[in-house]
Amino acid sequence: KAGVTQTPRYLIKTRGQQVTLSCSPISGHRSVSWYQQTPGQGLQFLFEYFSETQRNKGNFPGRFSGRQFSNSRSEMNVSTLELGDSALYLCASSFMTGDSPLHFGNGTRLTVT
Amino acid sequence: TQLLEQSPQFLSIQEGENLTVYCNSSSVFSSLQWYRQEPGEGPVLLVTVVTGGEVKKLKRLTFQFGDARKDSSLHITAAQPGDTGLYLCAGGSGGYNKLIFGAGTRLAVHP
Repeated sequence: KAGVTQTPRYLIKTRGQQVTLSCSPISGHRSVSWYQQTPGQGLQFLFEYFSETQRNKGNFPGRFSGRQFSNSRSEMNVSTLELGDSALYLCASSFMTGDSPLHFGNGTRLTVT
Repeated sequence: TQLLEQSPQFLSIQEGENLTVYCNSSSVFSSLQWYRQEPGEGPVLLVTVVTGGEVKKLKRLTFQFGDARKDSSLHITAAQPGDTGLYLCAGGSGGYNKLIFGAGTRLAVHP
């Protein structure tokens, strides 16, 4: 069974630009969550999508958004990039929502210059 | 705001030693998950504990969930270099896949 696939693996953007990250969950998994990992803040929850609906959102500004498609694939978008958005963005999928074990992808490393 | 305090932050030990990592909170969690993350990769789930007082063993790793479901520990017996990595605890509050992560314990096991 293929794992969670995130593309691209690395991304370099300039302040003010926008970026879209993609996540393909494990086949059959309907929940996709996004986390931001930085050395200073650790792993922080961004949002969760289940059956194309955003179920919960973390404490991030509105510049961070996401969506989920009917095939459970998910994208997250960050607009008007700031230097502080440099981080590893991790996507995780699970079969159900609600304390389900998460299967993480290897992340997209975003660097904002 | 729910917080998980994880200690120690860093641990450098010799092969064969035992160690314990702690995860504490003032909040009650419906579940506690432990992950291990290696450089360049995403976290990999080791175990989930859901019942207060629950103890789970995974080979040389022993996980315990506190009676009040506010804290957890991970004990490694006879550590090996292959145990090296970042260990993360994460608390779940039910209903959603929104986990609160501890800051992590970076373990280095030297041969």
